[in-house]
Amino acid sequence: GAVVSQHPSWVICKSGTSVKIECRSLDFQATTMFWYRQFPKQSLMLMATSNEGSKATYEQGVEKDKFLINHASLTLSTLTVTSAHPEDSSFYICSARFPGQGAFFGQGTRLTVV
Amino acid sequence: GENVEQHPSTLSVQEGDSAVIKCTYSDSASNYFPWYKQELGKGPQLIIDIRSNVGEKKDQRIAVTLNKTAKHFSLHITETQPEDSAVYFCAASMGTGGGNKLTFGTGTQLKVEL
Repeated sequence: GAVVSQHPSWVICKSGTSVKIECRSLDFQATTMFWYRQFPKQSLMLMATSNEGSKATYEQGVEKDKFLINHASLTLSTLTVTSAHPEDSSFYICSARFPGQGAFFGQGTRLTVV
Repeated sequence: GENVEQHPSTLSVQEGDSAVIKCTYSDSASNYFPWYKQELGKGPQLIIDIRSNVGEKKDQRIAVTLNKTAKHFSLHITETQPEDSAVYFCAASMGTGGGNKLTFGTGTQLKVEL
């Protein structure tokens, strides 16, 4: 199946700093990518839809100034958690849909803010 | 919007037995139903999917059934093995285009005991 690569797989940062997470579609072009957040033992919560060449669409309750999304090319979307705080600690996962098929997910990024 | 309910939240079976996980959806316009397996600390992995024009699909030990009238679909795993232990998520979407969002169920923790 299609491959989506996410980097880094884990990151620890200090409170107040920013962290960037990359999501790449390796063997197909993705005009749309999705960013999710997952708390322990919970389902995936869609944060935003990343659109190549245009602004991301954020789900209700997600702060767009806190979670900056850039989708500058057909194979790369980035999520930047700005001024991170301990409550931002979570598992962040991106996905992309290969046309006509299901969504493929990255490996996830475990963010810990200390 | 779409709402997907999933049951049970936990399921424990003996190795070799079958496991069944059930989901219901609310939006009759949904026509694509994938199932994902998520191992601890990893992103979800697509294991099987079904479209609304099909009632059943099978892939080796895994099968999915869909009842459009009742708006429910199920995952069946036969001859379970310890490596099947993971969290399973069902999902629903309208279409398989790159921009179609998935709505996820709440997940089922499957434990296959020796």
